[in-house]
Amino acid sequence: RKEVEQDPGPFNVPEGATVAFNCTYSNSASQSFFWYRQDCRKEPKLLMSVYSSGNEDGRFTAQLNRASQYISLLIRDSKLSDSATYLCVVSSGNTGKLIFGQGTTLQVKP
Amino acid sequence: EAQVTQNPRYLITVTGKKLTVTCSQNMNHEYMSWYRQDPGLGLRQIYYSMNVEVTDKGDVPEGYKVSRKEKRNFPLILESPSPNQTSLYFCASSLSVGVNEKLFFGSGTQLSVL
Repeated sequence: RKEVEQDPGPFNVPEGATVAFNCTYSNSASQSFFWYRQDCRKEPKLLMSVYSSGNEDGRFTAQLNRASQYISLLIRDSKLSDSATYLCVVSSGNTGKLIFGQGTTLQVKP
Repeated sequence: EAQVTQNPRYLITVTGKKLTVTCSQNMNHEYMSWYRQDPGLGLRQIYYSMNVEVTDKGDVPEGYKVSRKEKRNFPLILESPSPNQTSLYFCASSLSVGVNEKLFFGSGTQLSVL
């Protein structure tokens, strides 16, 4: 079993839709959680950290469920510019080493 | 401007010809790391460094070498490249290794080994 698993998609949604991605992780000792965004063949960029209480940044909401060992990303009012691959990133236990999921591809259509 | 600089952006080489991909950061970061990205496999860590003269293997270190003689530089060396090392490579750095320390990535190096 992979340490971090994501549904690769692609998720095809119309503009204005709300879309949610989940990511599961296997190490219950993980302490850091992130969502990164990656445009085609470019470097990943931090979208948001994920905190225990959940956090929101504009149209983006991230949640952490430690009991079930998953994190989620909710995107409201999708824009064409949201089309990208979203990478779930989790620290491996308390070492700080970051493990990347393979990414979920989102395509927002007009 | 704070950044991680990788060079070259594209590289085509032949089997067995030694090559080096450079990585430099100007943020005084302690932690640096190399990843390769292949379709369906996501980013996999090759090597990482917690500080000067401290390097450790990641998940896929075979066929690669690194060095960390200065804090800002972390070159990736392929002594004898093979076609299975054709991939997209990213260098990354962070201030340290700790809770919620985010990674800054270089713009990537697309390597093709013929």
